[in-house]
Order: sequence, then structure tokens, then C-alpha cells
Amino acid sequence: EPEVTQTPSHQVTQMGQEVILRCVPISNHLYFYWYRQILGQKVEFLVSFYNNEISEKSEIFDDQFSVERPDGSNFTLKIRSTKLEDSAMYFCASSEGSLTNEKLFFGSGTQLSVL
Amino acid sequence: RKEVEQDPGPFNVPEGATVAFNCTYSNSASQSFFWYRQDCRKEPKLLMSVYSSGNEDGRFTAQLNRASQYISLLIRDSKLSDSATYLCVAYGGSQGNLIFGKGTKLSVKP
Repeated sequence: EPEVTQTPSHQVTQMGQEVILRCVPISNHLYFYWYRQILGQKVEFLVSFYNNEISEKSEIFDDQFSVERPDGSNFTLKIRSTKLEDSAMYFCASSEGSLTNEKLFFGSGTQLSVL
Repeated sequence: RKEVEQDPGPFNVPEGATVAFNCTYSNSASQSFFWYRQDCRKEPKLLMSVYSSGNEDGRFTAQLNRASQYISLLIRDSKLSDSATYLCVAYGGSQGNLIFGKGTKLSVKP
């Protein structure tokens, strides 16, 4: 079965540093997403991306966050100046079409630890 | 505020038991509902969609009650491999914005 791949699986960074989390969505998918899950908490929506632009974002996705599709295969999440509270598992996901009709596929996640 | 609420458990059951999970959602405009399964520190994986008429997939049965705004999942003849956290999820129509419950932990014992 095709899968969403994420790298790295673990990222440790110092507070205030920039991090880029990388994702390769499933090749024929058109919608891309980032979610995060703080340890012991709910999975939370961050942002959705379609047709090379953000289609929706949550209140978590503030000016410190940005997403990019730099080429035809990668989808990245950048956190400009990391805070301790950014420590979480970050999941990339993709879907072939709108979630009204299509299934969401998650990657295995990047565990971000901010020290 | 859009919320999905679940009993966190844990539910500790013996193999072969039948176990039921419920969840409630606050946004009456939610269009679609799902049950996801999440193993410890892994990604959520779709278990099944939930339809108003109820649907069954092998040992799993999901029900939706729109009037009461609750969703249920029934697992029959539970297996050791069913041990996981079960996430109730609502989709309100906003692109990509799935609302996850905190999950109900199931532990199936031999």
C-alpha cells in the first residue's frame, strides 16, 4: 500500500532554533496536512494545503509556522523559533480528494523535542 | 468550540469479550465521523467510517446517532491485537480539519 513518509523520525533542537520537518505525501494525492500530538493529548489539526496554498489553518498555526511544497514531492513544515511547548509528535497526512469523500493517510510522524 | 469527548478508559477486557466505546460530539454541523486506531506512539490509522445507518466490518460495528450526537464502536470477540487506543473523529467540513477525541484505551488480556 502506498504510504506517507516523514523524516526525520526524531528531531532534537534547542529552544529558539528553526526546524524543518519533511514529508513525502502519496504521489497522486492533492491535499496535504500537518497535525500534531503532544504526549498524552489529542491529535490536533495544524494546517491543510491544496493547490499550492494553505486552505485552512488552526489557531495553533501562528506566524512561527509555515508550510511549503518546494518541489513536486516534498511537503515541509517549518517552525521558525521553537518553544518548549512545540515538543510533540508531528504527523503529516495526505488525501486524494476532499475529506468529505476521501480517506486521510497519516505518516509515521516526527517526534520533535525542544530543549 | 468544536469538541469530541470520549471515556479515556482504560478498558481492560479478556480475550473474546465484547466491548463498546461511545463518544459525543458538540458540533451538530459535523458531516462525517470515523473511528481511528492508534498504537502507542504511532500514527492514527483509519479503522472505519461511521454512517447513519450503522455499518459493520468483521468484528467491528459502528453506529451514529445524529439526534443525540453520539457515536459508538462495538468490538466483538476481542483479540490481543485489538489492544490500542481508539480515537473518535468528527469532520466538520472545513478542509482537513478533523476533530479528534482524546481516545479510549483498550487492553485485551489473555
